[in-house]
Amino acid sequence: GAGVSQSPSNKVTEKGKDVELRCDPISGHTALYWYRQSLGQGLEFLIYFQGNSAPDKSGLPSDRFSAERTGGSVSTLTIQRTQQEDSAVYLCASSFSPGLAGEETQYFGPGTRLLVL
Amino acid sequence: GQQLNQSPQSMFIQEGEDVSMNCTSSSIFNTWLWYKQDPGEGPVLLIALYKAGELTSNGRLTAQFGITRKDSFLNISASIPSDVGIYFCAGQLGNTPLVFGKGTRLSVIA
Repeated sequence: GAGVSQSPSNKVTEKGKDVELRCDPISGHTALYWYRQSLGQGLEFLIYFQGNSAPDKSGLPSDRFSAERTGGSVSTLTIQRTQQEDSAVYLCASSFSPGLAGEETQYFGPGTRLLVL
Repeated sequence: GQQLNQSPQSMFIQEGEDVSMNCTSSSIFNTWLWYKQDPGEGPVLLIALYKAGELTSNGRLTAQFGITRKDSFLNISASIPSDVGIYFCAGQLGNTPLVFGKGTRLSVIA
């Protein structure tokens, strides 16, 4: 079946511009996560959506970062007034809702590679 | 944010050798996961562990969930060239964001 998809796969932008990154989760998954991976680093949590609950935004590094999830499916991560330190791979993951062990397993998309010049 | 201590950071091994890597944490988790990431791709789940003390195998891969719930290891037996990549451990408590290690970069010399 289809996995998590993300677009664009690569994005080059100029410092100060806004960017939007898109994530299509696996059909039926109610939880959606955004992570950021800087060069040579592990993944850093950004934001988490679970069903209709208010999102967990505790990982967002600044108020220039925001995300929304429309209709409980597709999510968009927006970075306003991009800075060079925002350059990273932005990864999206989805999972089923809490329940039996294994349903929380997160499956990742291929990521969007963002380069801010 | 919180991160796991993953070691070693990198490994260079001969094809056919066994590999071992581990992760430790100062806090407990109720799930430990091991992912592999190839260049230009997202992490792919290798093994998931849900119970303290659990030992699980997936082909040539074996992973264990430490009895203290604060550590896990991954072993790869008889390595092959396609094992090359970055291996990440991740801990999870309930349906919460994963906490990742910084990864172990594995290089296999044929």
